[in-house]
Order: sequence, then structure tokens, then C-alpha cells
Amino acid sequence: AQKVTQAQTEISVVEKEDVTLDCVYETRDTTYYLFWYKQPPSGELVFLIRRNSFDEQNEISGRYSWNFQKSTSSFNFTITASQVVDSAVYFCALSETNRDDKIIFGKGTRLHILP
Amino acid sequence: SQTIHQWPATLVQPVGSPLSLECTVEGTSNPNLYWYRQAAGRGLQLLFYSVGIGQISSEVPQNLSASRPQDRQFILSSKKLLLSDSGFYLCAWSGQSGRMDTQYFGPGTRLTVL
Repeated sequence: AQKVTQAQTEISVVEKEDVTLDCVYETRDTTYYLFWYKQPPSGELVFLIRRNSFDEQNEISGRYSWNFQKSTSSFNFTITASQVVDSAVYFCALSETNRDDKIIFGKGTRLHILP
Repeated sequence: SQTIHQWPATLVQPVGSPLSLECTVEGTSNPNLYWYRQAAGRGLQLLFYSVGIGQISSEVPQNLSASRPQDRQFILSSKKLLLSDSGFYLCAWSGQSGRMDTQYFGPGTRLTVL
């Protein structure tokens, strides 16, 4: 069965600290994509990253980095030197072949960055 | 570039009243379109998706319906709203079918049913 688990419901850190958001997925497909989205208080989901199952290279974009490990079925997201503007709900998601392009979302992690 | 619009941004409706939410996409053709609902403090629930004009797939049986009268227009409707229909409704689009393309979301409509 396809599943995305974000075990951390809510996290609070002080500004400038690093924080890692965990994501564990389950799939039987060998070809799949993983995503992270950010939902700020305004509500709109903002696309952050898309990785395919054949590319396990870690990715860094500014203060954001992603660690994809197929061996543990994890796709964790780290924010370095967090800022108040990073406060949001973050969703991890999975898309598989033959799923009509549907994305399976985790339940999200609410991140509070305290000034 | 592609943009996605939703309206209205907020809506307060009495129980039993009808509903019509609209979503339009610009800058792309033949997109896949999706309607999601997010209840307060909860995750995303896929309601409907469409791979083409007049083609609608329903994910969850309920008193809502969807239509796609034009290539880049997706409408969510109800004949009689329930209290449980309150939530944040998000429309999304993605590229051609079969590519597991990224879904891009609109700004959402916050619906309160009283």
C-alpha cells in the first residue's frame, strides 16, 4: 500500500536553529516521485522540490536541503539557520506510476520558528 | 508562465444552500486538474480529478460534484451544503497524464458553512 508518514505533528525551534522534518514513505513501485510542499498561514501550497526514485543525490537550495535514502524509504527536509518566515505546515508527498498522476500526501508537520 | 486562479477567496454559506467554486488555469493546455479539501488543522483530501474536458473521477462519495466545461476550467459544486463541507478548498493542476508531474496549487477558497 502507498503511504506517506510524517511522524512529527508539530515542531518548535528558536530562530537560527537548524531543524529537520522527517518523511517516511511506502511504495511497491520502483519508479516514483517524492515532493515537499510548504503551506504558509495564507494557505496556498507552495511547491519546494520533486525528486525521482532513481536520483538519490542530496539536494541543497539555499538554506534548504533534502536527504533522500531509498534504503530507509526516507526523504527528510532540513532547514538551516531557520527564520520566522519558515513558519508553516510542510507536506511530504509521493506519486507513483499508474496512479493517474495522483499524489499521496502526508498529514503535514507544523513548524513554528520562535523569534 | 502558468498561473492558477480560484474564486471566491472566502465564502460563508448557510446549511442547505448551493455551492459553486471555480478554478481556472492560464498558460498551459490540457492540464490535469484536481480539487482537494483541507479540514481545519488536518491534511489534504483529494475530492476529484480530471484528465480532460468532461472527464471527472471522484475519490470520495459525498454531496459534492465537479465539472470541467472547458479545458482550463474546473468547477466544484453542491446542491445542498452540509456543516461538514466547511474547509479550505484547493485546486491544483499538473502536466500531461502519465508523467507524475508536479501539482501546482491555487490560492484556495475558505468555505464556512453555518
